Amino acid sequence: AQSVTQLDSQVPVFEEAPVELRCNYSSSVSVYLFWYVQYPNQGLQLLLKYLSGSTLVKGINGFEAEFNKSQTSFHLRKPSVHISDTAEYFCAVKRTGGATNKLIFGTGTLLAVQP
Amino acid sequence: KAGVTQTPRYLIKTRGQQVTLSCSPISGHRSVSWYQQTPGQGLQFLFEYFSETQRNKGNFPGRFSGRQFSNSRSEMNVSTLELGDSALYLCASSPGLAGLDTQYFGPGTRLTVL
Repeated sequence: AQSVTQLDSQVPVFEEAPVELRCNYSSSVSVYLFWYVQYPNQGLQLLLKYLSGSTLVKGINGFEAEFNKSQTSFHLRKPSVHISDTAEYFCAVKRTGGATNKLIFGTGTLLAVQP
Repeated sequence: KAGVTQTPRYLIKTRGQQVTLSCSPISGHRSVSWYQQTPGQGLQFLFEYFSETQRNKGNFPGRFSGRQFSNSRSEMNVSTLELGDSALYLCASSPGLAGLDTQYFGPGTRLTVL
């Protein structure tokens, strides 16, 4: 079984400041890792994903994440946030085998960017 | 390409009624998954379909069901609605079931049960 933990339910940050959203996972099998963003009254949009290879993954809107296998973490970072980054961010895992698209999500982190 | 579309976007029902939600995947995508999003339980997997067959099912009661048509469009049905079924229902599509496939989500259907 897999599980995803996002310890911070809300992260307040000032505009142009850096931010890190934390994600830890637990799995007995190999997984792929994802970050999705959800703006108010919208569905989920893929920010970035780790499938294999380089542990530093770059995504859209200036976000990046680093996969750390030993710490089972996949933290999301942005060096300078904008007001428009205010949204809920979800970390998710999917097993690498088994012919399934089933995603296991964390509980989400609300990023609140203040002017 | 057009994205994943879901209809209707908003729905209000009363307890005991049933409801059908529709999802049209991205053209060429053959896999459709459904998720329920609530403030209390977060995002939970309902089921997934590929080539008109249910491939995987989450831990939901039998009142929740779905199907997929030959054109890959999918519907989910909830019978005997309960207040706790109020949620945002999200549909996601992907090319297939390969692990490398990315899921693309629709805008969701907001269901309110009164």
